[in-house]
Amino acid sequence: GESVGLHLPTLSVQEGDNSIINCAYSNSASDYFIWYKQESGKGPQFIIDIRSNMDKRQGQRVTVLLNKTVKHLSLQIAATQPGDSAVYFCAENKADSSYKLIFGSGTRLLVRP
Amino acid sequence: EADIYQTPRYLVIGTGKKITLECSQTMGHDKMYWYQQDPGMELHLIHYSYGVNSTEKGDLSSESTVSRIRTEHFPLTLESARPSHTSQYLCASSEENEETQYFGPGTRLLVL
Repeated sequence: GESVGLHLPTLSVQEGDNSIINCAYSNSASDYFIWYKQESGKGPQFIIDIRSNMDKRQGQRVTVLLNKTVKHLSLQIAATQPGDSAVYFCAENKADSSYKLIFGSGTRLLVRP
Repeated sequence: EADIYQTPRYLVIGTGKKITLECSQTMGHDKMYWYQQDPGMELHLIHYSYGVNSTEKGDLSSESTVSRIRTEHFPLTLESARPSHTSQYLCASSEENEETQYFGPGTRLLVL
């Protein structure tokens, strides 16, 4: 049958613009969140993480924002480049001392030249 | 780049064959994980290990088995491959008391 993955949410941005990728998480007890970038044919690559005692954390060209009130996480990429084209996954910890991560469904970022 | 390796990268095999997917990491991480991922979909945990001689089943039921005889090595075995096993298998590892997981490049399995 047809893969649901073909209908992955897609964000298309112009090269040089800022990108914002959103993620809703499910467990209000989760206290650790992480963003991964997955390029075609590769494994997920760590981008940035944040703990629940913070609202914002910045890296190189990336910022993660955490809104615990509405259980929302976002990844902002500044000055998006063609190399940023990939699928981005957020993940939350299971908050049960198991160190397991629960992954979201992913967003595909397409960067137009 | 994380020092975690998976072989083979691609495998096409017939139904009923036994296969072993290899995963090795040189970071000395205690915790290791296997995920199954269909194209464009989220990752589902199928096995994990907290250290040598420790293995646990993940949240997604899988017919595969794993072993952890050495810290750096966490192979996954399918005794009898079926077309329903066609997927990408990702291995990851993390340090003790840390949630950040580092992934290998994955093995794409096609069972005919």
